[in-house]
Order: sequence, then C-alpha cells, then structure tokens
Amino acid sequence: DTAVSQTPKYLVTQMGNDKSIKCEQNLGHDTMYWYKQDSKKFLKIMFSYNNKELIINETVPNRFSPKSPDKAHLNLHINSLELGDSAVYFCASSQEVAGNTQYFGPGTRLTVL
Amino acid sequence: GQQLNQSPQSMFIQEGEDVSMNCTSSSIFNTWLWYKQDPGEGPVLLIALYKAGELTSNGRLTAQFGITRKDSFLNISASIPSDVGIYFCAGQPNAGNNRKLIWGLGTSLAVNP
Repeated sequence: DTAVSQTPKYLVTQMGNDKSIKCEQNLGHDTMYWYKQDSKKFLKIMFSYNNKELIINETVPNRFSPKSPDKAHLNLHINSLELGDSAVYFCASSQEVAGNTQYFGPGTRLTVL
Repeated sequence: GQQLNQSPQSMFIQEGEDVSMNCTSSSIFNTWLWYKQDPGEGPVLLIALYKAGELTSNGRLTAQFGITRKDSFLNISASIPSDVGIYFCAGQPNAGNNRKLIWGLGTSLAVNP
C-alpha cells in the first residue's frame, strides 16, 4: 500500500492556466507538507498543515493555495501558472507537528510551457 | 531561507569504494537527519540522530551527530550501484514552535560498476 500518494505524476500545461495537485496519506499522520524541488534539486518547504490547520507558510506567491479537506489530504492549487513554477512538487507527512521523520510522496513534475 | 552547507556537491566513484559526505551549520541543531532520493522518487529517511556525539549505523551506512551540534557526516562503505542518488542532510533547530527542517543542497552520488 502506498503511504503518501500524489496525482498526477506529470503535469504539462500552458502559462496562465490554473492547476491542482492532490496528495493523500494513509499513515494516520497529523501533519502534511508541500515542498518544491527546483532544477538544482534544492528542497524548499512551501506549506505545512497540522490537522487541517495551516502552520507553516513560507514566502510563496499567493497564486499557490493549499487546501486540506481532512488530515489525510493536502491539495495544492496553483493559479495563473508561470514558467518559473516548473519544478517537482513533493507532498510529505509526519506524525508530529515538528516531525523530522517525514514520509515523501513520489512527486509531481510540473512543466509550464 | 536558511540552508545547510553540504559537501561535496557531487561524487563519482567506483563500485566498492567508501564514500563520505558532511553537513555544517552556523547554528545548533537538535536533530540531524540523512535522506536519500532515488531518481524519480521522493526522499526517504536513512538515519536520524538525536544526541550530540551519537554514532548510528544502518547497514553499510554510518552517520554521526557532531559534538558541537553544528555538523554531521554520513559514510557509506563498500558502495554498490544502487547507492546512486542524491543524499540530503536536514537539521531541526533547537527551539521555536515552528521547528521546520532545514535542508542541505544535496550530494549527488554516481557509482561506476
């Protein structure tokens, strides 16, 4: 069984479009995260939710809006996509709020043309 | 945002060789972690270190939490082709409610069979 799953795996879209990436974890964890990994492989945290509540919100353009319908799901919606949004987006989860043992999803490779 | 200094940036070695990589920080960390990212996958936790001076092994991997709490190293002995990937160190600061992980830039390892 997949612990942290993301859909879609690949997303190719035009500039200006709006897209969503979905994430689900079946580990029973309370905290979920979104990371962005750029072409240089740097992992940058974007958001973190604990029990559906936003606890980390890094300096991310407000075109990015996370939504957590329940503690097992954390979706990421991106409005007005730009070329610089092209990256791999990883969802992760951990048991605790400041959990250091994070379990990552397989990633969503977003390409903006 | 805050980053860790991770070195080397990349390594190309022969199968059977030992590998060493390290991370340093200007501030104290409570926890040091080492993750591995296989190509096309999300990072997976290899070793977690919780006490200064702690030395922990996981198969052919050995990691240590520096005495000053500002550094950590990871050694891989007798490398094999499946060790290929990107290795990330991550540290968790000592204080604050929002103790998000601080990530290194990664060490890319290539193993020549």
